[in-house]
Amino acid sequence: GAVVSQHPSWVICKSGTSVKIECRSLDFQATTMFWYRQFPKQSLMLMATSNEGSKATYEQGVEKDKFLINHASLTLSTLTVTSAHPEDSSFYICSARPGEQYFGPGTRLTVT
Amino acid sequence: GENVEQHPSTLSVQEGDSAVIKCTYSDSASNYFPWYKQELGKRPQLIIDIRSNVGEKKDQRIAVTLNKTAKHFSLHITETQPEDSAVYFCAASKGGTYKYIFGTGTRLKVLA
Repeated sequence: GAVVSQHPSWVICKSGTSVKIECRSLDFQATTMFWYRQFPKQSLMLMATSNEGSKATYEQGVEKDKFLINHASLTLSTLTVTSAHPEDSSFYICSARPGEQYFGPGTRLTVT
Repeated sequence: GENVEQHPSTLSVQEGDSAVIKCTYSDSASNYFPWYKQELGKRPQLIIDIRSNVGEKKDQRIAVTLNKTAKHFSLHITETQPEDSAVYFCAASKGGTYKYIFGTGTRLKVLA
């Protein structure tokens, strides 16, 4: 099956700094990737749709200047959390689709 | 936009019994309905899906039914086993967007 990786798997950063999370499709090309946020014991909330070579499409209520998404190639999308604050602490998961969506293992972000 | 409701939020069954999880969606244009299983700390894994031109689909102990008129779909797990214990998410999507809107999740516990 399709394999999606994420890096890092966890990260701790100080308030005010920026953090970059990578999402890679390892064995297929993904023109579209998705970024989700998941709070403990809650559902996956779609943040944005990342399209290769074009601007990401953000869901309502998601600050595009805070969550910068870049889909520079058919196998890589990055999410940068800028000027992170403790309330940004969460589990961030990406997915990519060769058809149905395959999920990465997630990145746990803790902002202190 | 699309809204997906999922019930129940928690479900405990005895090993060997059946489990049923129900979801309703609001957008009649949705035409693809995947189900994901997420074990603690792991990525969501696709377990079964159904398209709107089909009323039922089965894969061994797992089945999904879809009622387009009522806009609801259900996951059925028969002969449950302890390893079925996880959080299950339904989702709805419509062709062209490929976006998934997830339900709130059901925590299934299979008691040995």
